[in-house]
Amino acid sequence: NAGVTQTPKFRVLKTGQSMTLLCAQDMNHEYMYWYRQDPGMGLRLIHYSVGEGTTAKGEVPDGYNVSRLKKQNFLLGLESAAPSQTSVYFCASGQHTGELFFGEGSRLTVL
Amino acid sequence: GENVEQHPSTLSVQEGDSAVIKCTYSDSASNYFPWYKQELGKGPQLIIDIRSNVGEKKDQRIAVTLNKTAKHFSLHITETQPEDSAVYFCAASWNSGGSNYKLTFGKGTLLTVNP
Repeated sequence: NAGVTQTPKFRVLKTGQSMTLLCAQDMNHEYMYWYRQDPGMGLRLIHYSVGEGTTAKGEVPDGYNVSRLKKQNFLLGLESAAPSQTSVYFCASGQHTGELFFGEGSRLTVL
Repeated sequence: GENVEQHPSTLSVQEGDSAVIKCTYSDSASNYFPWYKQELGKGPQLIIDIRSNVGEKKDQRIAVTLNKTAKHFSLHITETQPEDSAVYFCAASWNSGGSNYKLTFGKGTLLTVNP
């Protein structure tokens, strides 16, 4: 049972490049989330999904897009990366009880 | 929307001492309050949670208390050990359509337990 798996774990981009972070969960959870973690800022919600085919904006959605074509996968896209998007990104999944299961994070650096 | 304030941002204690981390929330409709522990290089992991119909919950050396009137909740760790060193996050959530699926996190507390 792998839980929540994020790929890639590390990535360096140049300003203006695009990329996609992939999150996969094997727990059949309805809800999936993308957070970013920056020093002193805690965990901020970027986008989330309450089920296959649905997405919604979180606290800091600008510059990101997401898709949930399959229940087990949640993709986070950066169309034109900016240095302000340098961060550690965490994917999480959960059910209605509220407990979230997090991946191990993806560290992104934008030069 | 909900706003969660967490204090202190850093906390250093001696092994064996107790540690207390406090959080306040703004939305009186919030009814679910989890605490997550994040070890270096890993994702956060749930360690304990409490719902608004309970005032206190304990699990071995950790406990959480909730004061709904004052809108604050606290994490208590007794007999701290070096392996308790980590970043701790509190969070709050309200029930929407039968689900507590959207959490608002505090900014985190870096706990260091000195041997």
